[in-house]
Amino acid sequence: NAGVTQTPKFQVLKTGQSMTLQCAQDMNHNSMYWYRQDPGMGLRLIYYSASEGTTDKGEVPNGYNVSRLNKREFSLRLESAAPSQTSVYFCALTTGANSGANVLTFGAGSRLTVL
Amino acid sequence: QKEVEQNSGPLSVPEGAIASLNCTYSDRGSQSFFWYRQYSGKSPELIMFIYSNGDKEDGRFTAQLNKASQYVSLLIRDSQPSDSATYLCAVRGNSGYALNFGKGTSLLVTP
Repeated sequence: NAGVTQTPKFQVLKTGQSMTLQCAQDMNHNSMYWYRQDPGMGLRLIYYSASEGTTDKGEVPNGYNVSRLNKREFSLRLESAAPSQTSVYFCALTTGANSGANVLTFGAGSRLTVL
Repeated sequence: QKEVEQNSGPLSVPEGAIASLNCTYSDRGSQSFFWYRQYSGKSPELIMFIYSNGDKEDGRFTAQLNKASQYVSLLIRDSQPSDSATYLCAVRGNSGYALNFGKGTSLLVTP
């Protein structure tokens, strides 16, 4: 997962607590994404950011907010965590444009449990 | 909702055999197609991508695309136990760079 750093790797929250997942890149790419992965559900897009200062909703944005204050960082915030938000969260970047393919490169993931 | 469908498996093949993984998609405007491998507890990693109809080979892996049938497949030749993982099919539409993923097919290669 060179170039994409997610923190924290693990987190346990109680229902109603808030927290922010952080994602940082060192590759100077514009597009960044947050996905969640649940058993039997595959990877689902929560939010994405095409460039610094812009964000857009994905397939499952409810209960989340995001922030892209600079090119390097894209954070995902849970304002009031719910058990349904128990999941593995992946940050991803669009990389590889020079090869003719804009592929997604994923971070190592953040495993969140909401009790 | 733009669907990407995969059989969940598990698909079990003996070592040395060819593993065939299949994927269908609903959006005819889809432009590019990706196969990712994901080991348990790890993040997805790209195996290969394909844009054009036909076959694309990379080592032991071959991706096949048929846009008329909205079908993409991945063949793994000379399967090894280390190939045991979940394989994710992903599709990009005609706007933006986000990928729409299938739920993945679990592959088990038995010695």
